[in-house]
Amino acid sequence: GESVGLHLPTLSVQEGDNSIINCAYSNSASDYFIWYKQESGKGPQFIIDIRSNMDKRQGQRVTVLLNKTVKHLSLQIAATQPGDSAVYFCAEIGTGFQKLVFGTGTRLLVSP
Amino acid sequence: GAVVSQHPSWVICKSGTSVKIECRSLDFQATTMFWYRQFPKQSLMLMATSNEGSKATYEQGVEKDKFLINHASLTLSTLTVTSAHPEDSSFYICSARSVRGVLGTQYFGPGTRLTVL
Repeated sequence: GESVGLHLPTLSVQEGDNSIINCAYSNSASDYFIWYKQESGKGPQFIIDIRSNMDKRQGQRVTVLLNKTVKHLSLQIAATQPGDSAVYFCAEIGTGFQKLVFGTGTRLLVSP
Repeated sequence: GAVVSQHPSWVICKSGTSVKIECRSLDFQATTMFWYRQFPKQSLMLMATSNEGSKATYEQGVEKDKFLINHASLTLSTLTVTSAHPEDSSFYICSARSVRGVLGTQYFGPGTRLTVL
């Protein structure tokens, strides 16, 4: 079945470092991928998205890379700040663009 | 723009009672709303998809008679947990997809923490 997973459950970095959060997905037919940030006790917050016809997309301090050959997605955060501490989920749109399938999540801890 | 609210933000109830959670899209119309459940330190699990004016579509393993969903308008969906039990304690999150939104874009509410004693 469809599944989206992450390699690292927890990532600890120092303030100012660059962070890379990885995600593996299994549905090669997925067409749209999204990264969400979730702070404790809050709902997911959209960070950045990418379609399958692209391999890279940049936002403000964030970059998403998509490697369809190995079905791998990554989120890069430049100059990580304490405010970036949260759980990050990748998600893919399932067949028919109806349902989001969420990965297991990675907790990012940023120490000053 | 694209704000989704949930009410209440938290609720504590006794076992056997029913609890209603509201999800509203404040500045856009949503043809489709989704309800998720999230247990501590776990990911979001889709419970059901709700389309305005029609019956909700439940995911496998979700009891439709226990989790009643109503999507009466383009800005409001409600989830009622009937005869709640301690195992229903969880974080419930809704999301809404705009009628004009980019394909797949969902906007999430802040979540409702349900604790059943």
